[in-house]
Amino acid sequence: GESVGLHLPTLSVQEGDNSIINCAYSNSASDYFIWYKQESGKGPQFIIDIRSNMDKRQGQRVTVLLNKTVKHLSLQIAATQPGDSAVYFCAETGTSYDKVIFGPGTSLSVIP
Amino acid sequence: DAGVIQSPRHEVTEMGQEVTLRCKPISGHDYLFWYRQTMMRGLELLIYFNNNVPIDDSGMPEDRFSAKMPNASFSTLKIQPSEPRDSAVYFCASSFMPGDYGYTFGSGTRLTVV
Repeated sequence: GESVGLHLPTLSVQEGDNSIINCAYSNSASDYFIWYKQESGKGPQFIIDIRSNMDKRQGQRVTVLLNKTVKHLSLQIAATQPGDSAVYFCAETGTSYDKVIFGPGTSLSVIP
Repeated sequence: DAGVIQSPRHEVTEMGQEVTLRCKPISGHDYLFWYRQTMMRGLELLIYFNNNVPIDDSGMPEDRFSAKMPNASFSTLKIQPSEPRDSAVYFCASSFMPGDYGYTFGSGTRLTVV
């Protein structure tokens, strides 16, 4: 079935360093991908998205890269800050445009 | 807009009791989703609605779970009778068009069944 999986369940980085969170997706028909950030005690929050006709998209301190050849998605966070500590989920539309499918999440811990 | 509003934020109940979780989606959003989050299973889609109509309830664990959306501004998720294994954080999310904009999540309801 459709699934979105993460390579690294936990990631620790030094404050100020760059973070890279990876995600593998299984459905080559997925057209739209999203990264969410979930802080403790809160709901997931939209960070950045990318469509399948792009391979890179940049936001404020975040960049999402899409490699359709190997079905891989990554989120890069520049100059990681303590406030970036959270669980990060990648999500894809799969074969349905009505909903998105979430991966298991990666926990990012920033060391001051 | 105040975002997606869920109530209560926390609920502690005894096994066997009925539990009702509530959600107010963002005005204008045609889609509403109910998710359950646990450490073991992550985020699970329980059911979603489009224009108040249930579209896919295949994620609803069993007959003890039911969800309704009587109008565009309100939805409920009911568990009757509740069991300890239902303990989780339940999120409601809404969207104008999921395939184009993703979801906006509420803050969740943390349910503990003792």
